[in-house]
Amino acid sequence: GAVVSQHPSRVICKSGTSVKIECRSLDFQATTMFWYRQFPKQSLMLMATSNEGSKATYEQGVEKDKFLINHASLTLSTLTVTSAHPEDSSFYICSAISHSDLNSPLHFGNGTRLTVT
Amino acid sequence: AQSVTQLDSQVPVFEEAPVELRCNYSSSVSVYLFWYVQYPNQGLQLLLKYLSGSTLVKGINGFEAEFNKSQTSFHLRKPSVHISDTAEYFCAVSASNAGKSTFGDGTTLTVKP
Repeated sequence: GAVVSQHPSRVICKSGTSVKIECRSLDFQATTMFWYRQFPKQSLMLMATSNEGSKATYEQGVEKDKFLINHASLTLSTLTVTSAHPEDSSFYICSAISHSDLNSPLHFGNGTRLTVT
Repeated sequence: AQSVTQLDSQVPVFEEAPVELRCNYSSSVSVYLFWYVQYPNQGLQLLLKYLSGSTLVKGINGFEAEFNKSQTSFHLRKPSVHISDTAEYFCAVSASNAGKSTFGDGTTLTVKP
């Protein structure tokens, strides 16, 4: 089945530094990838939609300059949390849609636990 | 726009008992419906999906769900649960051709011995 790899699985960083999270579709081409944020015991909150070769579409309330998204190829999207602060600590999950079937279910990465100290 | 309501935030059941996790949705367009399971510190895994056709959908791990258009529901069921089914379950809906999904708040299923 379709596999999405997310790296790193855990990261601890100091306040003020930037962190990059990678999301790769391993065996299919993903025109579109989504980035979610999940707080403990809560649902997934869509942050942005990432389309290969174009600018990401951010959801209302998500700071574009803080959460930089790059989707340079059909198999890789990156989320960079810039100047991270403790309130950015969260579980970040990416998902991808197969290029050949926009109506297929999302394939999820295993998430990245970000802790900002 | 779509919305999803999972009616139970927590469902405790005993092992080998049946379980139903309830999900209602609202949408102004046709939708696709999904159930996902999430184990601690992991991403989401698809249990089953409804795209069209038969309203009774069978998924992995013995789960099934029934799409009820008149009641705008997509409840998840399993006739006999195992300890290993303890997890968070999310119902999700997406518009027919958008790909982007809206998730419910999740239901924590706890299976007790």
